Amino acid sequence: NAGVTQTPKFQVLKTGQSMTLLCAQDMNHEYMYWYRQDPGMGLRLIHYSVGEGTTAKGEVPDGYNVSRLKKQNFLLGLESAAPSQTSVYFCASSDIAGGRVETQYFGPGTRLLVL
Amino acid sequence: GENVEQHPSTLSVQEGDSAVIKCTYSDSASNYFPWYKQELGKGPQLIIDIRSNVGEKKDQRIAVTLNKTAKHFSLHITETQPEDSAVYFCAASSNDYKLSFGAGTTVTVRA
Repeated sequence: NAGVTQTPKFQVLKTGQSMTLLCAQDMNHEYMYWYRQDPGMGLRLIHYSVGEGTTAKGEVPDGYNVSRLKKQNFLLGLESAAPSQTSVYFCASSDIAGGRVETQYFGPGTRLLVL
Repeated sequence: GENVEQHPSTLSVQEGDSAVIKCTYSDSASNYFPWYKQELGKGPQLIIDIRSNVGEKKDQRIAVTLNKTAKHFSLHITETQPEDSAVYFCAASSNDYKLSFGAGTTVTVRA
């Protein structure tokens, strides 16, 4: 049981390049999330998904797109990277039981540098 | 939306002393309050959580208290040890699948 895994661990991009971050979970969770973490700002929600085939915008969605084609995977795409997207990106997953929010489990993070 | 404020931003304590981190939230509908610990280079990990139907929860050296009237909740770590050094985040949720996080507290335990 690997929990939540993220690929890649590190990435350096030039401004204008595109890339996709992959998140996978093996806990059969319905809900998945992408956050970014910047110094002094905690974790901010980019996009999230409440089930296979669904996505929704979070607090800071601009410049990112997501897809959830399979229940276990949640992809985060940057179409044209900008230096402002330099950050650490975390994926998380959770489930809901009886209408109650359950624990979010986080992956190890992807460190992205945009030059 | 929900706004969570966390204080202090940094906290240095002597080994064996207690550490207290406080958070306030704005949405009175919030009913789930987890605390996460993040070690250097790793993802956040849940250490304790509390729901709105209880006022206090304890797990060994860690406790969380919740005051719904005042809309604040606190993390208490007793008998601190060097391995407690990390960044701690509070969060709040009003049952819409999303967590709103505080900005984090960097805790340093001095030997």
